[in-house]
Amino acid sequence: RKEVEQDPGPFNVPEGATVAFNCTYSNSASQSFFWYRQDCRKEPKLLMSVYSSGNEDGRFTAQLNRASQYISLLIRDSKLSDSATYLCVIQETGRRALTFGSGTRLQVQP
Amino acid sequence: EPEVTQTPSHQVTQMGQEVILRCVPISNHLYFYWYRQILGQKVEFLVSFYNNEISEKSEIFDDQFSVERPDGSNFTLKIRSTKLEDSAMYFCASSVEGNEQYFGPGTRLTVT
Repeated sequence: RKEVEQDPGPFNVPEGATVAFNCTYSNSASQSFFWYRQDCRKEPKLLMSVYSSGNEDGRFTAQLNRASQYISLLIRDSKLSDSATYLCVIQETGRRALTFGSGTRLQVQP
Repeated sequence: EPEVTQTPSHQVTQMGQEVILRCVPISNHLYFYWYRQILGQKVEFLVSFYNNEISEKSEIFDDQFSVERPDGSNFTLKIRSTKLEDSAMYFCASSVEGNEQYFGPGTRLTVT
């Protein structure tokens, strides 16, 4: 079983739509969780950390369900500039290494 | 806003040659990392560095790889004898503590 699993997509949505991405992880020792975005041939950029209580940053909401080992990202009112690959990333307790999922590609269309 | 910088942006080398990839982490960050991404694949951890020593490394980071912080600003990754399969994008990252890591723009390494 992959350590971090994501639906590869692509998700094709119109501008203004709400879109949700899901991610599951296999290691229950995972402690920290993040969403990064990656544009084509660019570096991963930290979008947000994911906290147990859930957190929101503008149009973006992240949720964590430790019991189900599941993380989600919700994007409201999609913009063309949201088109990118969204990477689910975990960090195990006591480790520095980040473990990346393969990413979910989002294409927002006019 | 402070950023991680990397040089060169693209490096072409012949198999068997040594390459050094350079990074300048964000100035007040204490933890430094190298990751790589083979084209079309996911980002993979190579090594983390703290307090002038390697704190963690992956199976990929074998004897052909080494890291160094030669002065107060630069952080380098050396590959001693490059192989074709070392062709990838190499990302440097840094963090204040061990969690939220900020990535540089990467060096595309092409081994011919």
